[in-house]
Amino acid sequence: GENVEQHPSTLSVQEGDSAVIKCTYSDSASNYFPWYKQELGKRPQLIIDIRSNVGEKKDQRIAVTLNKTAKHFSLHITETQPEDSAVYFCAASLTGNQFYFGTGTSLTVIP
Amino acid sequence: GAVVSQHPSRVICKSGTSVKIECRSLDFQATTMFWYRQFPKKSLMLMATSNEGSKATYEQGVEKDKFLINHASLTLSTLTVTSAHPEDSSFYICSAKNPGLAGWGQFFGPGTRLTVL
Repeated sequence: GENVEQHPSTLSVQEGDSAVIKCTYSDSASNYFPWYKQELGKRPQLIIDIRSNVGEKKDQRIAVTLNKTAKHFSLHITETQPEDSAVYFCAASLTGNQFYFGTGTSLTVIP
Repeated sequence: GAVVSQHPSRVICKSGTSVKIECRSLDFQATTMFWYRQFPKKSLMLMATSNEGSKATYEQGVEKDKFLINHASLTLSTLTVTSAHPEDSSFYICSAKNPGLAGWGQFFGPGTRLTVL
């Protein structure tokens, strides 16, 4: 089955700096890679996703890059704000069906 | 939209009892829903895929007789934790895809926190 690894497990940045979270996956058949943000006690919220037919996608301060050959993808958050503090999960999937999640990254943005 | 609800949000039960958790898609029909389990400060672990009108598909290592899944309608899937024990205490979250939307993203319910005494 699919195995997704995520690093780092915790990340602290100063407000305004950038944050990068990296994930690797094992199943080359996976073709959909969403990123979710989960605040304490709340449901995961989709923040950005990418399909395997593109290498990069950007939405305002958030971007995701995908390297299919190396089987890794990354989340980039620029100009971080305190409200970006949360746990971020990457996932790998085949056409958006079963999601296999990474272990999560707890991001803290220090004002 | 794509709103998913869960009920109850929190349940405490005695060891040996069974607990039913409902997952509903409120503004769309979902032929497929997914059930996840999340331990404190841990990731979401896929338990099973719930298929409307047919048997659920369980992930390796998940006991199907322990975690009964029923998807009787296009808007409702239920997860029943049978003969619950303290080790079953966890946060259970369901999700669904909205086939009416262009993307492949799943929309999550708010979760159900189960505590087994």
